[in-house]
Amino acid sequence: GIQVEQSPPDLILQEGANSTLRCNFSDSVNNLQWFHQNPWGQLINLFYIPSGTKQNGRLSATTVATERYSLLYISSSQTTDSGVYFCAVAKGFQGAQKLVFGQGTRLTINP
Amino acid sequence: EAGVTQFPSHSVIEKGQTVTLRCDPISGHDNLYWYRRVMGKEIKFLLHFVKESKQDESGMPNNRFLAERTGGTYSTLKVQPAELEDSGVYFCASSQHEQGANYGYTFGSGTRLTVV
Repeated sequence: GIQVEQSPPDLILQEGANSTLRCNFSDSVNNLQWFHQNPWGQLINLFYIPSGTKQNGRLSATTVATERYSLLYISSSQTTDSGVYFCAVAKGFQGAQKLVFGQGTRLTINP
Repeated sequence: EAGVTQFPSHSVIEKGQTVTLRCDPISGHDNLYWYRRVMGKEIKFLLHFVKESKQDESGMPNNRFLAERTGGTYSTLKVQPAELEDSGVYFCASSQHEQGANYGYTFGSGTRLTVV
């Protein structure tokens, strides 16, 4: 099956810093999503990005499908950005899509 | 549109008891998935419904777990009897597929299950 590796596993930054989180995957995929699990356990969908670049406020993501990696950028970090960031991928179309998650990057933003 | 709704948000039960988790997907989404994250590990797939049919249940850990989706609307996940290692966060997600294109998954807020 598809392997998903995220790096770094842990990241501690001061408020206002920028960060880059990486997701490598072992096979071609049709679906790639970035999620943020906040301290309350909620899993928030950040981006659906199987290829290309998207931006949403201070967050942006780029997926280079041919090289099988995706990057999540967080600029001007805030303490509310703390939590675990997951990358998840899926292969196949209708009726054959189960997401495979990476192990996550735990981000801690200190005031 | 309303998102994916899960309840309860948190459940604490004793080992050996039964717990039923419920998920209401986004209206019109035929695909419904259950995932869980236990002991701080990665989030893992449990099973996938297409309407009321189980498409893939390869991730179900054992026969103490039973999932249903009557009428192809909401789904329940029953754990009977619960064991300590079942503690974790159980997520439900739904998705809509059209003409082979994928629109991503929407996850619910999860049910945090604690077995004591």
